[in-house]
Amino acid sequence: QITLKESGPTLVKPTQTLTLTCTFSGFSVTTSGLGVGWIRQPPGKALEWLALLYWDDDKSYSPSLKNRLTITKDTSKNQVVLTMTNMDPVDTATYYCARKNVAARFDYWGQGTLVTVSS
Amino acid sequence: QSALTQPPSASGSPGQSVTISCTGTSSNVGGYNYVSWYQKHPGKAPKLIIYEVSKRPSGVPDRFSGSKSGNTASLTVSGLQAEDEADYYCSSHAGSNSFVVFGGGTKLTVL
Repeated sequence: QITLKESGPTLVKPTQTLTLTCTFSGFSVTTSGLGVGWIRQPPGKALEWLALLYWDDDKSYSPSLKNRLTITKDTSKNQVVLTMTNMDPVDTATYYCARKNVAARFDYWGQGTLVTVSS
Repeated sequence: QSALTQPPSASGSPGQSVTISCTGTSSNVGGYNYVSWYQKHPGKAPKLIIYEVSKRPSGVPDRFSGSKSGNTASLTVSGLQAEDEADYYCSSHAGSNSFVVFGGGTKLTVL
């Protein structure tokens, strides 16, 4: 059974750094073709892809946010971590992690975690 | 402003069919057969219902189908059911510059 779950703070202050952890089970992030990505959805708005960690440890970031994002993994813990610097109220959103499979699809998703940016 | 353009809303009566479009460019939809569709109910995680333009994951009813022509992909929901009422998002691989881009979403209402 494949599961993913996001964890992290629910409230951060403007200018702070957000650290979110995706803990997954049922697959290995080092399996060829797989990966773990982060996607967010601000309230009432569309999905937005943020970052992706590939099976070979390559990384890809949204061009509009790449200067603020870092994605890393801890294979021994089956975790992928996303950090986003200089948080702003417009970054308030539900953040999802998802398993990337071949053909650029996200086939399993976590339940999401709502992060509010407010002073 | 999303990279892929979807109509904000669509509707149909139970049993009818509805088609949702997703328009991109030759750099995303038109350049790759890596279009996916996701169904999202309020408060729930997105669910993959179509990948590689027209393939269905195991467990997804064959009422859901996908196609593509040029820079526009389409999702058709046939035999509409009440539980199909949800938001639908398309996505496409967008090359080395951006792994994937999403559409703005379409709210499907079953009348």
